Amino acid sequence: GDSVTQKQGQVTLSEDDFLFINCTYSTTTYPTLLWYVQYLGQGPQLLLKVTTANNKGISRGFEATYDKGTTSFHLQKASVQESDSAVYFCALVDAGYQNFYFGKGTSLTVIP
Amino acid sequence: NTKITQSPRYLILGRANKSLECEQHLGHNAMYWYKQSAEKPPELMFLYNLKQLIRNETVPSRFIPECPDSSKLLLHISAVDPEDSAVYFCASSLRTNSDYTFGSGTRLLVI
Repeated sequence: GDSVTQKQGQVTLSEDDFLFINCTYSTTTYPTLLWYVQYLGQGPQLLLKVTTANNKGISRGFEATYDKGTTSFHLQKASVQESDSAVYFCALVDAGYQNFYFGKGTSLTVIP
Repeated sequence: NTKITQSPRYLILGRANKSLECEQHLGHNAMYWYKQSAEKPPELMFLYNLKQLIRNETVPSRFIPECPDSSKLLLHISAVDPEDSAVYFCASSLRTNSDYTFGSGTRLLVI
C-alpha cells in the first residue's frame, strides 16, 4: 500500500542556517506530495504541494522538490528564522484523494 | 484560524459525556474529524461529504459523529477513556479530492 516515511524526528538549528527535511514515499499511483506546518497550539497548515506535473513548489521562502527516481521529496529553506520553529509533516495523497498519509513529523527548533 | 471554528478549545473530563463542535465558513462540502495524539501525526477518524458519512475508520464506538448541516460537524463522546486524551481537529475541503483546511483543535484531557 501507499506510505510515506519521515525519519528526522527533531532538528535544531540556529537562525540563518540551512534547513533540509527529507521524506520518502511508496505508491503505485500518481501521488500529490504535500508539506504541512503545525505551529504550537494550532492545526496543520498546508505549506507546499507538488505533483507529478510540477516537481517543485515554493512558498514563504520554503522550497519543496520531489525526485521520482528516488521516490523522495524534501523541504528546504536557505535561511531559517526563529519563527519557523514548528512541526513539519510530509504527506502523500493518492491520485483520487481517497487516502491521505502523513509522515511522523519533524520538530524544528530554531535558536536565535 | 477563524475560517474553521472549534469549541471548546480545552476540555478536561472524567468518565463523562461531551460533544465537540466544529463550524466552517468556507462553503466546503467535505468535513473531517482527525485525532492527533502526542508527538504523532493526525489520524483520520471520520469523513462526511455533503452531510453523508462516507469514511468511518476504526474508531471506538464511544465516538459518534454527527453532521447537522453542511457547515457543522459534531463529535459526541461517551464515557471517555484516558487513551482518548489527544487533540481533535476538524478539517474541511471543497470536495473530497481538494486540499484540507484544519481548525485549531480541541485539546481533550481525560483524568
